[in-house]
Amino acid sequence: DARVTQTPRDKVTEMGQEVTMRCQPILGHNTVFWYRQTMMQGLELLAYFRNRAPLDDSGMPKDRFSAEMPDATLATLKIQPSEPRDSAVYFCASGPGGGETQYFGPGTRLLVL
Amino acid sequence: SQQGEEDPQALSIQEGENATMNCSYKTSINNLQWYRQNSGRGLVHLILIRSNEREKHSGRLRVTLDTSKKSSSLLITASRAADTASYFCATLTSGTYKYIFGTGTRLKVLA
Repeated sequence: DARVTQTPRDKVTEMGQEVTMRCQPILGHNTVFWYRQTMMQGLELLAYFRNRAPLDDSGMPKDRFSAEMPDATLATLKIQPSEPRDSAVYFCASGPGGGETQYFGPGTRLLVL
Repeated sequence: SQQGEEDPQALSIQEGENATMNCSYKTSINNLQWYRQNSGRGLVHLILIRSNEREKHSGRLRVTLDTSKKSSSLLITASRAADTASYFCATLTSGTYKYIFGTGTRLKVLA
């Protein structure tokens, strides 16, 4: 049963520290999305990739966030330096492309103190 | 904000009753999807309806789409306690791979 995996599942860190979140998309999927979910803002699209190329990262604060796909099996989202307002659940999702279903990972729950 | 909006924000019903949730959106779309999220977990895809379709069924789910009104509804028939979750609509903006999620409806089904 193919699934999107994310690590870590939970992360507590102090303000100013670097945070790296990892995602392994479903094998064969060529589209990867990063979302952030908070009570106040709901589900926000941060970035998306197609065939490892970033198509849109307009939802990301550029000064502190970066997203990459070093290879087809790994997507990363980094925050440096982290701030308390970054506390949220970060989801990765992958899809076969063509505007079809997205498959979500379990999320990384981030708390920045 | 380009987010879609779901209505109602929260819904509480008795087991066996039907639940209806509505979604409004702003852009021209290729398709609209509904997802379910159990507390603290990832979203799970429920059903997809394309812009040239008006109604679709999947088990106890019925989805309608009115592109002239830019709205969709999700009907869950004969609800069960296990249907308790948040439900989100997501629209695929025409010409992009960008999905825009609504604000969600929190459904509580009482046993």
